[in-house]
Amino acid sequence: GEDVEQSLFLSVREGDSSVINCTYTDSSSTYLYWYKQEPGAGLQLLTYIFSNMDMKQDQRLTVLLNKKDKHLSLRIADTQTGDSAIYFCAESTSSGTYKYIFGTGTRLKVLA
Amino acid sequence: DVKVTQSSRYLVKRTGEKVFLECVQDMDHENMFWYRQDPGLGLRLIYFSYDVKMKEKGDIPEGYSVSREKKERFSLILESASTNQTSMYLCASRENRGIGNTEAFFGQGTRLTVV
Repeated sequence: GEDVEQSLFLSVREGDSSVINCTYTDSSSTYLYWYKQEPGAGLQLLTYIFSNMDMKQDQRLTVLLNKKDKHLSLRIADTQTGDSAIYFCAESTSSGTYKYIFGTGTRLKVLA
Repeated sequence: DVKVTQSSRYLVKRTGEKVFLECVQDMDHENMFWYRQDPGLGLRLIYFSYDVKMKEKGDIPEGYSVSREKKERFSLILESASTNQTSMYLCASRENRGIGNTEAFFGQGTRLTVV
């Protein structure tokens, strides 16, 4: 079945890089996403990567995809206190109804 | 600016009550979703709808039903609320482009407490 896993917590110092990891099981995934949830809010799309890409860079964000190992990571350079949030990876598959499968979420805490 | 609006931010209901959670989107999206979010479990899909009057069960539909009579509105119904349905409920919508990339837009969430 489909499953997306993340570690639950990550703590970094302001100015350092953060790396949030995700593993998924569905090899038919077409797009993989990173969403951010700030306290008391819904989820907002941060970035996404198509499954035939290895890397995508968007300002401070770098997404790496290892399709062989079904591993996705999100690197945030120069992490700021405003980056403190829960980060969800999600996959969208071409099988069935194109629904999202979300990971468990990683709570990032940035220490000043 | 795209918008998904959930009718309540906070709700407190009694065990056994029938509860309605409402969600409205203004983007003419075909697909709408209801998730519940619990610590350590991430987002779990309850139901989704890919068109008016169409619905499919997600991963945890037990104890819930849904209604989609109009394209912009997707309602989640707890037929007889129980304490294990205390959770954060998130509604989302997205455009249907088949396997093409589409972003999901989320409401702000409804925190439901069943006492």
